Amino acid sequence: AQKITQTQPGMFVQEKEAVTLDCTYDTSDQSYGLFWYKQPSSGEMIFLIYQGSYDEQNATEGRYSLNFQKARKSANLVISASQLGDSAMYFCAMRPGSARQLTFGSGTQLTVLP
Amino acid sequence: EAQVTQNPRYLITVTGKKLTVTCSQNMNHEYMSWYRQDPGLGLRQIYYSMNVEVTDKGDVPEGYKVSRKEKRNFPLILESPSPNQTSLYFCASSPRTGWKYEQYFGPGTRLTVT
Repeated sequence: AQKITQTQPGMFVQEKEAVTLDCTYDTSDQSYGLFWYKQPSSGEMIFLIYQGSYDEQNATEGRYSLNFQKARKSANLVISASQLGDSAMYFCAMRPGSARQLTFGSGTQLTVLP
Repeated sequence: EAQVTQNPRYLITVTGKKLTVTCSQNMNHEYMSWYRQDPGLGLRQIYYSMNVEVTDKGDVPEGYKVSRKEKRNFPLILESPSPNQTSLYFCASSPRTGWKYEQYFGPGTRLTVT
C-alpha cells in the first residue's frame, strides 16, 4: 500500500525567506509521480509541481522547487522568497504506476509572517 | 475556460435524505475522481472512473455511489446520508489514468449532514 507522510502540521516563515515543507513516501513501485498542491483558505486545490520517479533533475516551477531524494524516498517542497499569499495548506501526493489512485498526505499549514 | 465544476458548493441536509453532488469537466478528460477532505486526514479517494461506464472504489467508498454515463459528468450520490459524511468533497479529473498526470480539482462542496 502507498503512504505519504507529512510530519509538519504547521510551519511559520518570515516573508521573503525560503521554507522547506517535508514529504516522505512509501511505495514498492519503480514508476510513480509525486505532486504538490496548495489549498488557500478559500478551499480550492491548486496544482504546484510534479516530479516523476525517473526524472534525474529536480522539478522547478517559478518560486517552487521539489527536492527529490529517491533513495531516501523524500520529495520536499521548497518555496523561495515567501510571500504573504503563500499562506495556505500544502499537500504532498503520490500516484504509483500500479495504482489508479492519488494518495495524499495529511498536509502542512504554512503561515507567512510579515 | 478549462475547468471542473461542482454543484452545489454548500449543502446542509438531514440524515437519510438522498442527495446528489454533480461534477462536470470540459477538458475531455478520461479520468475522474471523488475525494473527501477531513481535518488531519488529508484527501481520501471515494470513487474513481477511468472512462465512460468504468468506475471503481477508492479508499472510502462506503455510503456513496457514482455513475459515469457521459465522459464529462461524474455525479456523487449519497443514498442515505449520515452525520459522519459531513465533509468537504472534491471532484477531480485528469487527461489519462497514468502516474504522470496531475489532477484538476473542482472548487469543492461543503456538505453538512445533521
